[in-house]
Amino acid sequence: AQKVTQAQTEISVVEKEDVTLDCVYETRDTTYYLFWYKQPPSGELVFLIRRNSFDEQNEISGRYSWNFQKSTSSFNFTITASQVVDSAVYFCALAPNTDKLIFGTGTRLQVFP
Amino acid sequence: NAGVTQTPKFRVLKTGQSMTLLCAQDMNHEYMYWYRQDPGMGLRLIHYSVGEGTTAKGEVPDGYNVSRLKKQNFLLGLESAAPSQTSVYFCATAEFRREQETQYFGPGTRLLVL
Repeated sequence: AQKVTQAQTEISVVEKEDVTLDCVYETRDTTYYLFWYKQPPSGELVFLIRRNSFDEQNEISGRYSWNFQKSTSSFNFTITASQVVDSAVYFCALAPNTDKLIFGTGTRLQVFP
Repeated sequence: NAGVTQTPKFRVLKTGQSMTLLCAQDMNHEYMYWYRQDPGMGLRLIHYSVGEGTTAKGEVPDGYNVSRLKKQNFLLGLESAAPSQTSVYFCATAEFRREQETQYFGPGTRLLVL
């Protein structure tokens, strides 16, 4: 089976806390891509990152960082020093080599002032 | 440069009515997709197109039809709307002829079927 699991349905934190959003995937393909998208309250889907299966280096972009571990089939997303503007639904997605983009069910992050 | 636009933004239909959702892109992307988003279910692929004049079924194609007569437009049709089609519909595009290229999404169309 090819699927993406985001076990955390909703997370609430207070501003300036660090928060990690979990993403676990399943695929039989050796070549695949992983994505994170942000959906703020306004509703649009904003692309955050794309990572291929051969690149396990962690990625950092400002307050955002991603940890890709093939050994555990995980692609977790951490927000450091969270802000109210980070409040959104975050989707992890998998693009297997032999199939279309598969989305997880999303994690709703609420950051309180 | 508008990117990906969707028309309309919101629509209310009665059961049995028909309508067409329009997705337009000015990025010259080859691939276009239609998804629906329902609470607790993420996004599910309805239909997609790998180029002008082509269409293919996704995960949940029943009750929908699509057409890609022009490269920049991808239409999603509901011939006889049902309450189960109440959802938010997103169009997406991808640049290259590769399945795993990044997809860029439109702002969404909220559809309510009574």
